Amino acid sequence: GDSVTQMEGPVTLSEEAFLTINCTYTATGYPSLFWYVQYPGEGLQLLLKATKADDKGSNKGFEATYRKETTSFHLEKGSVQVSDSAVYFCALGANFGNEKLTFGTGTRLTIIP
Amino acid sequence: SAVISQKPSRDICQRGTSLTIQCQVDSQVTMMFWYRQQPGQSLTLIATANQGSEATYESGFVIDKFPISRPNLTFSTLTVSNLSPEDSSIYLCSVWWLATNEKLFFGSGTQLSVL
Repeated sequence: GDSVTQMEGPVTLSEEAFLTINCTYTATGYPSLFWYVQYPGEGLQLLLKATKADDKGSNKGFEATYRKETTSFHLEKGSVQVSDSAVYFCALGANFGNEKLTFGTGTRLTIIP
Repeated sequence: SAVISQKPSRDICQRGTSLTIQCQVDSQVTMMFWYRQQPGQSLTLIATANQGSEATYESGFVIDKFPISRPNLTFSTLTVSNLSPEDSSIYLCSVWWLATNEKLFFGSGTQLSVL
């Protein structure tokens, strides 16, 4: 079945450091890929997505590129801020409307001033 | 976007009792979903709640343990029955919203602890 393997956390970085959170997936067909973020006390929010190979999703300085050859969708940001502290979830949507998602385990990111 | 209110935000329950979680959406939505996030685990889809029909459960989840109601297009409840410590998790409601590019919205979750 479909699965998502996500970099284990927690991850602690200093402000302005470079961030990479790894995500790889297993799926049949051509899934869409997502990164969701959960800030403290809030629900999950869509951060970015990519719907086909070589697409790059981007939002709030974060980027992730859909790499079919390596079945990966790594999340990157060039300079993190304290406000980026949150839990990040990689997910894939393999059905037609992508309304049912398969999630990774989440990575807790803490940014230190 | 859809605004989702989920309650309670947290609860501590005794073994053998039940907890009902409510999910209220500020707009009419066709599809609502219930997810579970066990400690250190990923989110797992429990069921899809469609108005006017019975919920559709994913493999490993059954109606007797997780009865779901969907009386209208803005509201759903999930009951976790006959609680055991293994049910201690975060339960999340989500909705499928077609009006914007961001199609899946989540509530803030209910943290359940079973003693």
